[in-house]
Amino acid sequence: GDSVTQMEGPVTLSEEAFLTINCTYTATGYPSLFWYVQYPGEGLQLLLKATKADDKGSNKGFEATYRKETTSFHLEKGSVQVSDSAVYFCALGYTNAGKSTFGDGTTLTVKP
Amino acid sequence: EPEVTQTPSHQVTQMGQEVILRCVPISNHLYFYWYRQILGQKVEFLVSFYNNEISEKSEIFDDQFSVERPDGSNFTLKIRSTKLEDSAMYFCASTLGLAGLQETQYFGPGTRLLVL
Repeated sequence: GDSVTQMEGPVTLSEEAFLTINCTYTATGYPSLFWYVQYPGEGLQLLLKATKADDKGSNKGFEATYRKETTSFHLEKGSVQVSDSAVYFCALGYTNAGKSTFGDGTTLTVKP
Repeated sequence: EPEVTQTPSHQVTQMGQEVILRCVPISNHLYFYWYRQILGQKVEFLVSFYNNEISEKSEIFDDQFSVERPDGSNFTLKIRSTKLEDSAMYFCASTLGLAGLQETQYFGPGTRLLVL
């Protein structure tokens, strides 16, 4: 079956540091890939997505590229802010409104 | 921007009681979902719903769970007899449901259920 593996957290960075959160997947088909963010006490928000190989999703300074050859979708940001502190989930999903499969989540804490 | 809403935001119940969690999906969406997230764990799929019937469900979604679309706007999750291990955040989601397109699921803010 499908699965998503994220790098273990928690991750603690200083403000303006470079962020990478690794995500790899196994899939039976050709999924879309997503990053969701969950701020403390809130629900899931879609951060970015990519729908096919070599697509790059980007939003709010975050980027991730769909790499079919390495089955990866690593999240990056060049300069993190304190307000980026949250839990980040990598996920995959399919066309025709199939379910999403989530990774375990990575907690990011950014210190001033 | 349209959004998925959920009520209540928090619910505390006694073990063995029935609870109903409510969701209002985005109005023109056709597919609806429930997920749950036990504290500190990953988000897990429970069930998907289309055209007034379940289209897929996970092993978690046993006979204690049921879903319903009682009217044109609400989508509910009922837990018949709650157990301690049902304590979790429950998320509703919806998608537009256009066949052949890469769909984005829009999530609600969640209902935090605590079973005592």
